[in-house]
Amino acid sequence: QVHLQQWGAGLLKPSETLSLTCAVYDRSFSGYYWSWIRQSPGKGLEWIGEINHSGGTNYNPSLYGRVIMSVDTSTKQIFLNLSSVTAADTAVYYCARGKTKLDVWGKGTAVTVSS
Amino acid sequence: SVLTQPPSVSAAPGQEVTISCSGTRSNIGNKYVSWYQHLPGSAPKLLISDNNKRPSGIPDRFSGSKSGTSATLGISGLQTGDEADYYCATWDNSLSAIVLFGGGTKLTVL
Repeated sequence: QVHLQQWGAGLLKPSETLSLTCAVYDRSFSGYYWSWIRQSPGKGLEWIGEINHSGGTNYNPSLYGRVIMSVDTSTKQIFLNLSSVTAADTAVYYCARGKTKLDVWGKGTAVTVSS
Repeated sequence: SVLTQPPSVSAAPGQEVTISCSGTRSNIGNKYVSWYQHLPGSAPKLLISDNNKRPSGIPDRFSGSKSGTSATLGISGLQTGDEADYYCATWDNSLSAIVLFGGGTKLTVL
């Protein structure tokens, strides 16, 4: 059964870099896009971006210049880096399998940005 | 949000409710729509993909449809456990092929 396990630092200071890892337990890793989505307190879901097994990426334009996604196919892990964080980046971050058909989700990682 | 959903809907147990999602020709008008259920403290769950397809394990009380630039999620036989936030999603090829989520609709089962 497909399973996503995610982790990363939960408390950051402004201007630091958010780094999250999502381990994919899925035989079909190479056949999918893998996405990151976040939900800020009191707000809806926001798509951060996606990456495929070849490292091809597509990002939300609102995060251009700050977001980098990468992939390690040997360990089946995908990575999210978001630089220069502010309080507005406080959110629960999810990794998920797919693009708009997000059929498997990680449990989410709560990230708080506070001085 | 580019995709517009009503902020809230409510209905009694056993009744039926619909949640709308309005977009444009460059997103809903030409792309598949998915729907997600988000319960507090849990990860979102895919309810409907490709406008009207239910993944394995999703009861047929949940249905999806699309017409023009709008999509609709239907939930029949409402249960108290259906109380959650519901989101539509699609992608837009006029905006660098980004994925869009609706603003979300809070369903209250009275």
